[in-house]
Amino acid sequence: DTAVSQTPKYLVTQMGNDKSIKCEQNLGHDTMYWYKQDSKKFLKIMFSYNNKELIINETVPNRFSPKSPDKAHLNLHINSLELGDSAVYFCASSQPAGGKETQYFGPGTRLLVL
Amino acid sequence: SQKIEQNSEALNIQEGKTATLTCNYTNYSPAYLQWYRQDPGRGPVFLLLIRENEKEKRKERLKVTFDTTLKQSLFHITASQPADSATYLCALLNTGGFKTIFGAGTRLFVKA
Repeated sequence: DTAVSQTPKYLVTQMGNDKSIKCEQNLGHDTMYWYKQDSKKFLKIMFSYNNKELIINETVPNRFSPKSPDKAHLNLHINSLELGDSAVYFCASSQPAGGKETQYFGPGTRLLVL
Repeated sequence: SQKIEQNSEALNIQEGKTATLTCNYTNYSPAYLQWYRQDPGRGPVFLLLIRENEKEKRKERLKVTFDTTLKQSLFHITASQPADSATYLCALLNTGGFKTIFGAGTRLFVKA
């Protein structure tokens, strides 16, 4: 069983479009994250949700809007896509309490904006 | 601002040797430090976690040290194998664990 899954795996779209990426985890974790990994492989946190509530928003443009309908899901909606949004987006989950701070990452969504 | 530096973009070593990767950080007092492995086209996979009051942690052929005075962690892979070839990421966590800062990674190549 896949612990953290993301859809789609690949996303090619035109500038100006709106797109969504979905993430689901079946680990029972309370915390979920979105990361962006750019062409230089630098992994940068975008958002962190704990029990469906936004905990961290790292100066991400408001074109990016995360939504957590429940603890197991954290979706990312991107409006008015720009060329610079091209990257790999990773979803992750963890259970911060009790020393179990390991993050489990999804396979990534490769977004290409043309 | 908080900064993490991993010693080099790429490290080439011969099979059987020990690979040593370095992670230095500034302007941060992490409660935990982690190392992850990332293979091409995949998400990072957790390897080891070390707490600020621990000096060393081992797991099979892996060893991590954490020096909060030097603000440095060393990651060792002993008896390296070609299958160890991957990118290794250092990550710092605060106490709550909600915010993790990743280094840019070091790409390790182990030659047979």
